Amino acid sequence: GAGVSQSPSNKVTEKGKDVELRCDPISGHTALYWYRQSLGQGLEFLIYFQGNSAPDKSGLPSDRFSAERTGGSVSTLTIQRTQQEDSAVYLCASSPSGLAGGELFFGEGSRLTVL
Amino acid sequence: DQQVKQNSPSLSVQEGRISILNCDYTNSMFDYFLWYKKYPAEGPTFLISISSIKDKNEDGRFTVFLNKSAKHLSLHIVPSQPGDSAVYFCAASEGTGGFKTIFGAGTRLFVKA
Repeated sequence: GAGVSQSPSNKVTEKGKDVELRCDPISGHTALYWYRQSLGQGLEFLIYFQGNSAPDKSGLPSDRFSAERTGGSVSTLTIQRTQQEDSAVYLCASSPSGLAGGELFFGEGSRLTVL
Repeated sequence: DQQVKQNSPSLSVQEGRISILNCDYTNSMFDYFLWYKKYPAEGPTFLISISSIKDKNEDGRFTVFLNKSAKHLSLHIVPSQPGDSAVYFCAASEGTGGFKTIFGAGTRLFVKA
């Protein structure tokens, strides 16, 4: 499809395990964002990639969280030693230019449940 | 520190009436403000935006008003329809240090038929 694709759509894991969440942005979009939405909460900014610039990691909640974007396209969000409070829907979005005010195109999210 | 605040977690409106969703922000450096709509099990979708140099932007049934002195914006939906029932997120972005977009906590709108 032409939209932002995220996988897996659902992931259940045990506390302490590592998980990887994948995002395929819309082709040609230079900006890529990760957000998470915990139950009953708003969208929490995690990390932002724009072209070849250094990513803005200011929203990552701890050093257990990391993300990379290979070749300016696909991105992987990795959570090490998962905790129950990591349970949330992780949303990826891309944008054609990353300019302020630009519309973000979201995927359907990856729902992570940590038991 | 919440830079974008939506203080009403929910709003219920009768079909045909006006829905007014409110948003406050603290960062005077924000350049753009956006509204997104989210249905269950779907990602948010863009609805309407406004530049900080404007005070109103209209698109069909949706109008966004910006009051910079009060650091407040609102989304008006007229007339409201049952299909408008969703969670509405206010968002803001600025150019300094990148163009990350900050979202509010969302307001769940119920439009009753």
